[in-house]
Amino acid sequence: DQQVKQNSPSLSVQEGRISILNCDYTNSMFDYFLWYKKYPAEGPTFLISISSIKDKNEDGRFTVFLNKSAKHLSLHIVPSQPGDSAVYFCAASGGTNAGKSTFGDGTTLTVKP
Amino acid sequence: KAGVTQTPRYLIKTRGQQVTLSCSPISGHRSVSWYQQTPGQGLQFLFEYFSETQRNKGNFPGRFSGRQFSNSRSEMNVSTLELGDSALYLCASSSGPNGGELFFGEGSRLTVL
Repeated sequence: DQQVKQNSPSLSVQEGRISILNCDYTNSMFDYFLWYKKYPAEGPTFLISISSIKDKNEDGRFTVFLNKSAKHLSLHIVPSQPGDSAVYFCAASGGTNAGKSTFGDGTTLTVKP
Repeated sequence: KAGVTQTPRYLIKTRGQQVTLSCSPISGHRSVSWYQQTPGQGLQFLFEYFSETQRNKGNFPGRFSGRQFSNSRSEMNVSTLELGDSALYLCASSSGPNGGELFFGEGSRLTVL
């Protein structure tokens, strides 16, 4: 039973346009959500997080939206840049201890110049 | 501030052998987590240590074990290797116990022949 799902294995967008990456979860105990970005041959790096007490968190070009009733979150990147091309992982944990995070399978984003 | 360091970066073993992987967390971080990533898969949680105690454990067989030392450095061991253990093993640290995001190392790529 996969508790965190990223249903789109890949996404391709044009430079300057918006990228929207989606993530669904099933476990109601999750209350802290994170997005990580991973380049080849590197470990994932933290991008942005959101607590369940919020429905939106913004950091520069990156915004994460959380819909608790739908158990759905999304990451918006505006405007998208070629350097954003990477694998994006959604992760969830119970409480702010991200040490035991449950990850999705990732979405490969390609931003075309 | 030095990042998370994992050694070795690459290794090749044969079935039945055992392997030990090492992880040095960011200075001051007391929580260390281990994840397995296989091709096309997300990150599967192995275990988390905090102050030398295993705090959480994932759904992996007993062949997978770990420990944490008083200086927060951690090791994981896989005994009686199987072909399916071939993967990228990622270590991550956080300031814990509610340390928010994870800081990942570059991983140890294990190939089992």
